[in-house]
Amino acid sequence: QQQVKQSPQSLIVQKGGIPIINCAYENTAFDYFPWYQQFPGKGPALLIAIRPDVSEKKEGRFTISFNKSAKQFSLHIMDSQPGDSATYFCAASRSNFGNEKLTFGTGTRLTIIP
Amino acid sequence: DAGVIQSPRHEVTEMGQEVTLRCKPISGHDYLFWYRQTMMRGLELLIYFNNNVPIDDSGMPEDRFSAKMPNASFSTLKIQPSEPRDSAVYFCASSLARPLLNEQFFGPGTRLTVL
Repeated sequence: QQQVKQSPQSLIVQKGGIPIINCAYENTAFDYFPWYQQFPGKGPALLIAIRPDVSEKKEGRFTISFNKSAKQFSLHIMDSQPGDSATYFCAASRSNFGNEKLTFGTGTRLTIIP
Repeated sequence: DAGVIQSPRHEVTEMGQEVTLRCKPISGHDYLFWYRQTMMRGLELLIYFNNNVPIDDSGMPEDRFSAKMPNASFSTLKIQPSEPRDSAVYFCASSLARPLLNEQFFGPGTRLTVL
């Protein structure tokens, strides 16, 4: 019940395209859903996060869509650029003030072709 | 702030040797996490601490692994004896408990190779 399933494993998109990465969770107690971005040789870094009281959140070219009833959320990257090539991890946690651990998806390696 | 600091950045050792990985969290953070990343298993949480106390070590693979946090600014992850299947990148992350926010800051990682 703690799993977060992420797909696809890898994705190749042309510059300007809109890559979409999907995640599904099982634990209905999860109420915080971040996406982390990891460049080669670096640690993951928080990109954007959403809570289930909204269905969409945008920050620049990055958008999270959230479907509470389906227990799914996805990351969209608008006008993708070669610099967006990285590995993306979705995650989930309970956000009660105690900073619960994050359960990560398996990651998606995204390549943006010029 | 310099961010989360990990050392060494790379470690190559032979099977059976003891390996110690070190982490300095961001000053003021009260949570510290140790992760292992491999191609096969992705990013796995090994153990995490709150105010220097281990909270959940259910991800520690076996008794060969141990972690300590003697004070708020230092933690170690020890593998004794090491095995080739322990080869991975080990990340340390820290965070500060705040309402409605749960951001973990990752270090650059230690790439461990066990021959």
